[in-house]
Amino acid sequence: EAGVAQSPRYKIIEKRQSVAFWCNPISGHATLYWYQQILGQGPKLLIQFQNNGVVDDSQLPKDRFSAERLKGVDSTLKIQPAKLEDSAVYLCASSLGLGLIDTQYFGPGTRLTVL
Amino acid sequence: AQSVTQLGSHVSVSEGALVLLRCNYSSSVPPYLFWYVQYPNQGLQLLLKYTTGATLVKGINGFEAEFKKSETSFHLTKPSAHMSDAAEYFCAVSGVGSGNTGKLIFGQGTTLQVKP
Repeated sequence: EAGVAQSPRYKIIEKRQSVAFWCNPISGHATLYWYQQILGQGPKLLIQFQNNGVVDDSQLPKDRFSAERLKGVDSTLKIQPAKLEDSAVYLCASSLGLGLIDTQYFGPGTRLTVL
Repeated sequence: AQSVTQLGSHVSVSEGALVLLRCNYSSSVPPYLFWYVQYPNQGLQLLLKYTTGATLVKGINGFEAEFKKSETSFHLTKPSAHMSDAAEYFCAVSGVGSGNTGKLIFGQGTTLQVKP
């Protein structure tokens, strides 16, 4: 079974530029998550989708971050414009359902460096 | 609001020694509890989880954790460390306090170093 795929793996941009990350979840998984992991910290949820609807985006900085999940499969996360503090690893995860005990499967992440 | 505290950002053990990684949570309602492991340049992988029932949970790679409600703890142990256990370990919770959405709230992580 293929895992969660993410691209690119690494990205370096200058502040005020824009960047986009792509995620392909495990086939059949209804729920998709984007987490931000700043160096030395645990992952923090940015946005959660169930199929193509948003379940939780309470911690998404909506003035600069946006995300979509068209057709309930792939998802993209965009930052525009980027700030220095956006340097982090962006992790995508998926789970079969929306249950509190559903296992979340994580992709390898995209490491973003903002200069 | 729920929170997770992992005591010790770095733990160093000798190969063959006991591994003990500490995790405490704050929640008015017992949450669901998880331990994930992250190897360098890889995503997080589930080690084990506690939902209901037996409080001692066995996971992959010889790890286990015990849910202690009275201590609000979920410490991770392994009797004998192996070099391949060197990684970062995250404790996480989900539950009522996270809005019933399955959202995971993570601790800050503990880096495990295994010395030969």
